[in-house]
Amino acid sequence: AQSVSQHNHHVILSEAASLELGCNYSYGGTVNLFWYVQYPGQHLQLLLKYFSEDPLVKGIKGFEAEFIKSKFSFNLRKPSVQWSDTAEYFCAVSFLGGYQKVTFGTGTKLQVIP
Amino acid sequence: EAQVTQNPRYLITVTGKKLTVTCSQNMNHEYMSWYRQDPGLGLRQIYYSMNVEVTDKGDVPEGYKVSRKEKRNFPLILESPSPNQTSLYFCASSLSNPSNNSPLHFGNGTRLTVT
Repeated sequence: AQSVSQHNHHVILSEAASLELGCNYSYGGTVNLFWYVQYPGQHLQLLLKYFSEDPLVKGIKGFEAEFIKSKFSFNLRKPSVQWSDTAEYFCAVSFLGGYQKVTFGTGTKLQVIP
Repeated sequence: EAQVTQNPRYLITVTGKKLTVTCSQNMNHEYMSWYRQDPGLGLRQIYYSMNVEVTDKGDVPEGYKVSRKEKRNFPLILESPSPNQTSLYFCASSLSNPSNNSPLHFGNGTRLTVT
């Protein structure tokens, strides 16, 4: 069965620090990859998605993610975090081939200290 | 405004009392899905629907029912709720099959407590 792993459950950073959140998936075929963000008390929103041959994906609010096929990874990065980035971040994967499902990781809570 | 609307936002009920959480989208999306979010477990899919009258089980369907009689609506039914169904529930929709790289649009969530 497909699975998604997010190894960092809770990350605490000071403002202006750099961020990297890990995401690994378990399927060897063609995948669609997403990062969603959930701000406190809100619903999930799309942050970015991988959909082309370019492995480096730019998203909203200065976030980016790099798809490394050989490592089955899609790590999220931001060079300098802000207090407003405090949220929970979810990696998600869907697989080409007609399987109509999106599998989510367990999420990483990011706390940015002013 | 394009959105997914869930009601109610908060619900407290007792064991065994049937309840329905409604979900409606105004984007003419084909795909709709229900998830539950629990601490440390992330989002787990309950049921999904590819189109009207087409529904299928997700990872945790036990104790839930759904229906898709109209394209815009996808209610979640708990026939006999139990305390282990206390959770935060999200409805989501996407334009087409998620395997086609179509992102999900989420509702604001329903926090359900079963005592």
